[in-house]
Amino acid sequence: ETGVTQTPRHLVMGMTNKKSLKCEQHLGHNAMYWYKQSAKKPLELMFVYNFKEQTENNSVPSRFSPECPNSSHLFLHLHTLQPEDSALYLCASSQEAGQTRGYTFGSGTRLTVV
Amino acid sequence: QKEVEQNSGPLSVPEGAIASLNCTYSDRVSQSFFWYRQYSGKSPELIMSIYSNGDKEDGRFTAQLNKASQYVSLLIRDSQPSDSATYLCAVHEDSARQLTFGSGTQLTVLP
Repeated sequence: ETGVTQTPRHLVMGMTNKKSLKCEQHLGHNAMYWYKQSAKKPLELMFVYNFKEQTENNSVPSRFSPECPNSSHLFLHLHTLQPEDSALYLCASSQEAGQTRGYTFGSGTRLTVV
Repeated sequence: QKEVEQNSGPLSVPEGAIASLNCTYSDRVSQSFFWYRQYSGKSPELIMSIYSNGDKEDGRFTAQLNKASQYVSLLIRDSQPSDSATYLCAVHEDSARQLTFGSGTQLTVLP
Protein backbone atom coordinates (compact mmCIF):
# COMPACT_ATOMS: atom_id res chain seq x y z
CA GLU A 1 0.00 0.00 0.00
CA THR A 2 1.59 3.24 -1.15
CA GLY A 3 -0.59 5.72 0.75
CA VAL A 4 -2.60 6.42 -2.39
CA THR A 5 -5.58 4.12 -2.87
CA GLN A 6 -7.49 3.77 -6.10
CA THR A 7 -10.76 1.96 -6.70
CA PRO A 8 -11.83 -0.02 -8.55
CA ARG A 9 -8.70 -1.90 -9.68
CA HIS A 10 -10.40 -3.10 -12.84
CA LEU A 11 -13.41 -1.72 -14.71
CA VAL A 12 -15.15 -2.86 -17.86
CA MET A 13 -17.77 -0.52 -19.20
CA GLY A 14 -19.86 -0.05 -22.28
CA MET A 15 -19.71 3.10 -24.34
CA THR A 16 -23.07 4.29 -23.01
CA ASN A 17 -22.29 3.67 -19.34
CA LYS A 18 -21.45 6.19 -16.63
CA LYS A 19 -18.88 5.23 -14.03
CA SER A 20 -16.50 6.92 -11.61
CA LEU A 21 -12.93 6.25 -10.52
CA LYS A 22 -11.95 7.11 -6.98
CA CYS A 23 -8.61 8.08 -5.50
CA GLU A 24 -7.79 8.72 -1.85
CA GLN A 25 -4.44 9.73 -0.39
CA HIS A 26 -3.39 9.43 3.26
CA LEU A 27 -0.11 11.34 2.96
CA GLY A 28 -1.23 14.85 3.84
CA HIS A 29 -0.41 16.03 0.33
CA ASN A 30 -2.06 19.04 -1.25
CA ALA A 31 -1.74 18.21 -4.94
CA MET A 32 -3.40 15.36 -6.79
CA TYR A 33 -3.14 14.26 -10.40
CA TRP A 34 -4.85 12.01 -12.94
CA TYR A 35 -2.63 10.32 -15.52
CA LYS A 36 -3.51 8.03 -18.41
CA GLN A 37 -1.08 5.27 -19.34
CA SER A 38 -1.52 3.52 -22.68
CA ALA A 39 0.73 0.77 -23.99
CA LYS A 40 4.08 1.98 -25.32
CA LYS A 41 3.21 5.64 -24.67
CA PRO A 42 4.47 8.07 -22.02
CA LEU A 43 2.27 8.80 -19.08
CA GLU A 44 -0.20 11.46 -20.18
CA LEU A 45 -1.16 14.09 -17.64
CA MET A 46 -4.91 14.70 -17.61
CA PHE A 47 -5.73 16.92 -14.64
CA VAL A 48 -3.96 18.62 -11.75
CA TYR A 49 -5.57 19.80 -8.53
CA ASN A 50 -3.69 21.95 -6.04
CA PHE A 51 -5.40 22.70 -2.71
CA LYS A 52 -8.68 21.43 -4.25
CA GLU A 53 -8.47 23.84 -7.17
CA GLN A 54 -8.03 22.56 -10.71
CA THR A 55 -4.86 24.06 -12.14
CA GLU A 56 -4.37 22.00 -15.28
CA ASN A 57 -6.64 20.44 -17.86
CA ASN A 58 -4.48 18.98 -20.57
CA SER A 59 -7.03 19.24 -23.39
CA VAL A 60 -8.92 16.27 -22.03
CA PRO A 61 -12.24 15.44 -23.75
CA SER A 62 -15.33 16.40 -21.81
CA ARG A 63 -16.36 12.75 -21.45
CA PHE A 64 -13.80 12.77 -18.60
CA SER A 65 -14.91 14.95 -15.70
CA PRO A 66 -12.76 15.34 -12.57
CA GLU A 67 -13.94 16.23 -9.10
CA CYS A 68 -11.87 17.11 -6.05
CA PRO A 69 -14.06 17.63 -2.95
CA ASN A 70 -11.04 17.97 -0.63
CA SER A 71 -7.28 17.58 -0.71
CA SER A 72 -7.49 13.87 0.12
CA HIS A 73 -10.00 12.73 -2.47
CA LEU A 74 -10.09 12.85 -6.25
CA PHE A 75 -12.65 11.40 -8.62
CA LEU A 76 -12.76 10.89 -12.36
CA HIS A 77 -16.29 10.65 -13.74
CA LEU A 78 -16.60 8.79 -17.02
CA HIS A 79 -19.43 8.88 -19.55
CA THR A 80 -19.90 7.88 -23.21
CA LEU A 81 -16.30 6.69 -23.48
CA GLN A 82 -14.70 5.34 -26.63
CA PRO A 83 -12.71 2.10 -27.02
CA GLU A 84 -9.50 4.14 -27.41
CA ASP A 85 -10.03 5.36 -23.84
CA SER A 86 -9.12 1.88 -22.62
CA ALA A 87 -5.95 2.31 -20.56
CA LEU A 88 -4.49 2.29 -17.06
CA TYR A 89 -5.62 5.38 -15.16
CA LEU A 90 -3.22 6.42 -12.44
CA CYS A 91 -3.80 8.82 -9.60
CA ALA A 92 -0.81 10.48 -7.95
CA SER A 93 -0.20 12.98 -5.19
CA SER A 94 2.59 15.29 -4.13
CA GLN A 95 3.18 17.78 -1.35
CA GLU A 96 2.20 20.69 -3.55
CA ALA A 97 1.97 21.26 -7.29
CA GLY A 98 5.01 23.04 -8.65
CA GLN A 99 7.21 22.14 -5.68
CA THR A 100 7.45 18.45 -6.19
CA ARG A 101 10.01 16.12 -4.74
CA GLY A 102 8.42 13.25 -6.63
CA TYR A 103 4.96 11.84 -6.85
CA THR A 104 3.38 8.91 -5.08
CA PHE A 105 1.21 6.85 -7.38
CA GLY A 106 -1.80 4.72 -6.64
CA SER A 107 -2.11 1.20 -8.01
CA GLY A 108 -4.23 2.37 -10.91
CA THR A 109 -7.55 1.41 -12.46
CA ARG A 110 -7.36 -0.78 -15.54
CA LEU A 111 -10.23 0.47 -17.71
CA THR A 112 -11.61 -1.45 -20.66
CA VAL A 113 -14.27 0.17 -22.83
CA VAL A 114 -16.28 -2.28 -24.91
CA GLN B 1 6.57 20.90 -26.56
CA LYS B 2 8.70 19.61 -23.72
CA GLU B 3 9.97 16.10 -24.40
CA VAL B 4 11.65 13.37 -22.44
CA GLU B 5 13.21 10.66 -24.57
CA GLN B 6 14.16 7.15 -23.56
CA ASN B 7 15.12 4.07 -25.55
CA SER B 8 12.12 1.78 -25.28
CA GLY B 9 14.27 -1.33 -25.22
CA PRO B 10 13.94 -4.05 -24.39
CA LEU B 11 17.32 -3.96 -22.70
CA SER B 12 18.64 -7.32 -21.55
CA VAL B 13 21.59 -7.80 -19.22
CA PRO B 14 22.88 -10.90 -17.45
CA GLU B 15 22.52 -11.22 -13.71
CA GLY B 16 25.34 -9.45 -11.90
CA ALA B 17 26.07 -7.03 -14.74
CA ILE B 18 25.62 -3.26 -14.77
CA ALA B 19 22.44 -2.04 -16.44
CA SER B 20 22.65 1.46 -17.94
CA LEU B 21 19.45 3.38 -18.68
CA ASN B 22 19.54 6.70 -20.47
CA CYS B 23 17.23 9.68 -20.77
CA THR B 24 17.45 13.01 -22.60
CA TYR B 25 15.20 16.00 -22.14
CA SER B 26 14.47 19.05 -24.23
CA ASP B 27 13.67 21.74 -21.65
CA ARG B 28 16.88 23.50 -20.59
CA VAL B 29 15.37 24.98 -17.44
CA SER B 30 14.41 21.60 -15.98
CA GLN B 31 15.56 21.39 -12.39
CA SER B 32 14.43 18.09 -10.88
CA PHE B 33 14.89 14.62 -12.29
CA PHE B 34 13.42 11.32 -11.21
CA TRP B 35 13.61 7.65 -11.99
CA TYR B 36 10.56 5.45 -11.43
CA ARG B 37 10.40 1.68 -11.61
CA GLN B 38 7.20 0.07 -12.84
CA TYR B 39 6.65 -3.66 -12.63
CA SER B 40 4.21 -5.16 -15.11
CA GLY B 41 0.66 -4.43 -14.06
CA LYS B 42 1.78 -2.24 -11.16
CA SER B 43 2.04 1.49 -10.54
CA PRO B 44 5.28 3.49 -10.88
CA GLU B 45 7.47 3.59 -7.79
CA LEU B 46 9.99 6.38 -7.16
CA ILE B 47 13.49 4.95 -6.79
CA MET B 48 15.84 7.90 -7.37
CA SER B 49 15.79 11.66 -7.55
CA ILE B 50 18.61 14.00 -8.55
CA TYR B 51 18.76 17.78 -8.63
CA SER B 52 22.37 18.80 -9.32
CA ASN B 53 25.06 17.80 -11.80
CA GLY B 54 27.09 14.72 -10.99
CA ASP B 55 26.40 11.34 -9.48
CA LYS B 56 24.06 10.32 -6.72
CA GLU B 57 24.34 6.83 -5.28
CA ASP B 58 21.75 4.85 -3.33
CA GLY B 59 22.62 1.22 -2.77
CA ARG B 60 22.98 -0.50 -6.13
CA PHE B 61 21.51 2.50 -7.96
CA THR B 62 23.46 5.51 -9.26
CA ALA B 63 21.79 8.43 -10.99
CA GLN B 64 23.95 10.68 -13.16
CA LEU B 65 22.96 14.16 -14.31
CA ASN B 66 24.59 16.37 -16.91
CA LYS B 67 22.52 19.52 -17.40
CA ALA B 68 24.80 20.91 -20.11
CA SER B 69 24.10 17.85 -22.23
CA GLN B 70 20.49 17.57 -21.00
CA TYR B 71 21.11 13.99 -20.07
CA VAL B 72 20.25 11.89 -17.05
CA SER B 73 21.05 8.22 -16.58
CA LEU B 74 20.46 5.41 -14.12
CA LEU B 75 23.02 2.70 -13.45
CA ILE B 76 22.03 -0.49 -11.68
CA ARG B 77 25.01 -2.44 -10.36
CA ASP B 78 24.91 -6.18 -9.68
CA SER B 79 21.63 -6.47 -11.56
CA GLN B 80 19.15 -8.99 -10.22
CA PRO B 81 16.20 -10.69 -11.94
CA SER B 82 13.98 -8.75 -9.55
CA ASP B 83 15.19 -5.55 -11.25
CA SER B 84 13.34 -6.60 -14.41
CA ALA B 85 10.80 -3.84 -14.95
CA THR B 86 10.11 -0.73 -16.99
CA TYR B 87 12.10 2.30 -15.84
CA LEU B 88 10.51 5.71 -16.35
CA CYS B 89 12.47 8.93 -16.48
CA ALA B 90 10.61 12.04 -15.32
CA VAL B 91 11.63 15.67 -15.50
CA HIS B 92 10.27 18.68 -13.66
CA GLU B 93 10.71 22.38 -14.25
CA ASP B 94 10.30 24.22 -10.96
CA SER B 95 7.90 26.78 -12.44
CA ALA B 96 5.70 24.06 -13.90
CA ARG B 97 3.04 22.16 -12.04
CA GLN B 98 3.65 18.61 -13.24
CA LEU B 99 6.24 16.04 -14.21
CA THR B 100 6.91 15.13 -17.84
CA PHE B 101 7.54 11.43 -18.28
CA GLY B 102 9.43 9.44 -20.89
CA SER B 103 7.85 6.36 -22.39
CA GLY B 104 10.09 4.08 -20.34
CA THR B 105 12.81 1.50 -20.96
CA GLN B 106 11.96 -2.14 -20.42
CA LEU B 107 14.80 -3.93 -18.62
CA THR B 108 15.15 -7.70 -18.41
CA VAL B 109 17.83 -9.22 -16.16
CA LEU B 110 18.57 -12.75 -17.25
CA PRO B 111 19.40 -15.31 -14.53
